[in-house]
Amino acid sequence: KAGVTQTPRYLIKTRGQQVTLSCSPISGHRSVSWYQQTPGQGLQFLFEYFSETQRNKGNFPGRFSGRQFSNSRSEMNVSTLELGDSALYLCASSQDIHSGANVLTFGAGSRLTVL
Amino acid sequence: GESVGLHLPTLSVQEGDNSIINCAYSNSASDYFIWYKQESGKGPQFIIDIRSNMDKRQGQRVTVLLNKTVKHLSLQIAATQPGDSAVYFCAENSIYNQGGKLIFGQGTELSVKP
Repeated sequence: KAGVTQTPRYLIKTRGQQVTLSCSPISGHRSVSWYQQTPGQGLQFLFEYFSETQRNKGNFPGRFSGRQFSNSRSEMNVSTLELGDSALYLCASSQDIHSGANVLTFGAGSRLTVL
Repeated sequence: GESVGLHLPTLSVQEGDNSIINCAYSNSASDYFIWYKQESGKGPQFIIDIRSNMDKRQGQRVTVLLNKTVKHLSLQIAATQPGDSAVYFCAENSIYNQGGKLIFGQGTELSVKP
């Protein structure tokens, strides 16, 4: 069974640009969550999608957005990039969201560097 | 506000010894706790989880202990191996955080000396 696949693995952007990251969940997983990981702030929740609907949202500005497609694949977008957006962006998928307790399976992440 | 934190940022142990990684949480409503392991260049990998109706849960070479009275969580690794070297995160989910929203601790780096 293939794991969570994130593309691209590495990318470099300049301030003011925008970026789109992609995530393919494990087959059969309908929930996709996104996290930002930085040395200073650790792992912080961005948002979660289930059945093409955003179910949860973290405390990030509106420049961070996402969407989920009918095949459960998800993308996140960051517009007007700032230096502080440099981070590892992790996608995680899970199967069961009803219990409020879910094992998240993470991808390897997309390493974004903003210059 | 809510927080899940670790007492020790780094832990160095000798190969073969047992390791104990600690975590404190502040949200009394938390009912599900998870430990993840993250190796360099990889995403976090699930190790073990425990629900709030349990005090202890064992896996292969790992044990998680939950003390709800003092809001403390620990991960015990038996016979630590060099392959256990990684950053370990505790995470919580509560009835207020449905689905995929986990609150992560800052992480503890475990270094295993051969």
